[in-house]
Amino acid sequence: DVKVTQSSRYLVKRTGEKVFLECVQDMDHENMFWYRQDPGLGLRLIYFSYDVKMKEKGDIPEGYSVSREKKERFSLILESASTNQTSMYLCAAGQVTGVRGNTIYFGEGSWLTVV
Amino acid sequence: QKEVEQNSGPLSVPEGAIASLNCTYSDRGSQSFFWYRQYSGKSPELIMFIYSNGDKEDGRFTAQLNKASQYVSLLIRDSQPSDSATYLCAGILHGNNRLAFGKGNQVVVIP
Repeated sequence: DVKVTQSSRYLVKRTGEKVFLECVQDMDHENMFWYRQDPGLGLRLIYFSYDVKMKEKGDIPEGYSVSREKKERFSLILESASTNQTSMYLCAAGQVTGVRGNTIYFGEGSWLTVV
Repeated sequence: QKEVEQNSGPLSVPEGAIASLNCTYSDRGSQSFFWYRQYSGKSPELIMFIYSNGDKEDGRFTAQLNKASQYVSLLIRDSQPSDSATYLCAGILHGNNRLAFGKGNQVVVIP
């Protein structure tokens, strides 16, 4: 199975701080995703990437940016954290273009509180 | 219409019964679908992936895909209390690599 590691599990940041959330996968998969999950709203896609240095906006990209300099690493950046960005952030990685054996796995999540 | 929809409310099933979950999607060209299980406070775990029309079985789980009607379903046979969780349906939208999720259905298995 693909292992997806989110290095920061619990963070508390102040309003206005720049926040980096890191995600690393241990397989050679092209596709990586960042979601946030809030009660009653489900998983909402922030950004995704299908190759190194490639990125696509998801449903809620405002206030976020991403970086994918290496295939295995996909970083989510909160340029200036705000309290409404308090959430659980989930990174996923996997294969989506194959006819068989498509797999997408999630990391354990990063709980961010902005105060 | 949302890309992937799960409209049913919480589902309570007695232990040993079959739990049935449904999901519809709006993009007729979508081809790949996933079911995830998520326990409270945890990240989603992949249960199954389905691509072809028809049924796919893995242990107590069966996924069904009907492309003509644009729905995906998940059956959980012999439900166990450990199956109590939220189940998420997701699909890869046609033409890109975007993975869209439904809001999920909570399943409670009553001993």
